Amino acid sequence: DTEVTQTPKHLVMGMTNKKSLKCEQHMGHRAMYWYKQKAKKPPELMFVYSYEKLSINESVPSRFSPECPNSSLLNLHLHALQPEDSALYLCASSQDGETGGNQPQHFGDGTRLSIL
Amino acid sequence: GQQLNQSPQSMFIQEGEDVSMNCTSSSIFNTWLWYKQDPGEGPVLLIALYKAGELTSNGRLTAQFGITRKDSFLNISASIPSDVGIYFCAGIYNFNKFYFGSGTKLNVKP
Repeated sequence: DTEVTQTPKHLVMGMTNKKSLKCEQHMGHRAMYWYKQKAKKPPELMFVYSYEKLSINESVPSRFSPECPNSSLLNLHLHALQPEDSALYLCASSQDGETGGNQPQHFGDGTRLSIL
Repeated sequence: GQQLNQSPQSMFIQEGEDVSMNCTSSSIFNTWLWYKQDPGEGPVLLIALYKAGELTSNGRLTAQFGITRKDSFLNISASIPSDVGIYFCAGIYNFNKFYFGSGTKLNVKP
């Protein structure tokens, strides 16, 4: 069982909907990440939070809005998405923050998002 | 960004055979990691390597951190059907940048 929990597991939404993806970890990790993964491709980094502050935004469109309410939780708010945004969205956490460290990232099972 | 070249892209093997895959880079990495991803799930960490020359095992899996710090390999011995999946190498560069390889899709024929 993964120690990074993501909800929901599946999400189908229209292009005008607003929804949120949630991620939770209780390992005391101080860095949390959002990735987007298309079929048969490696995960692509979207955002990094280090000590609850956004430290990296990989030029992600503003229709994706991350939020880190506390050190255990990470949200991704979705609004006005496009069909090409359909993908598996993965959350990960690591012990060290982005500013330094070589500890591995631990991944959740992802949310399978489909945009109609 | 840094490029991790992972090979082979896919493998078709018979149950019981040994498997080897590798990852190379033109840059020096601080940490090498190997993950396995099953369909509908997230990548699961198999082995983490932190020192050049380090050889680490996890059951039937063995991975090594190359001496030059620019490569790593993963071996799976006596493969079984549940080894099927996509294996990703990953490296941490400059102690704060995380890169994935392109993945190796493993198929095991019973």
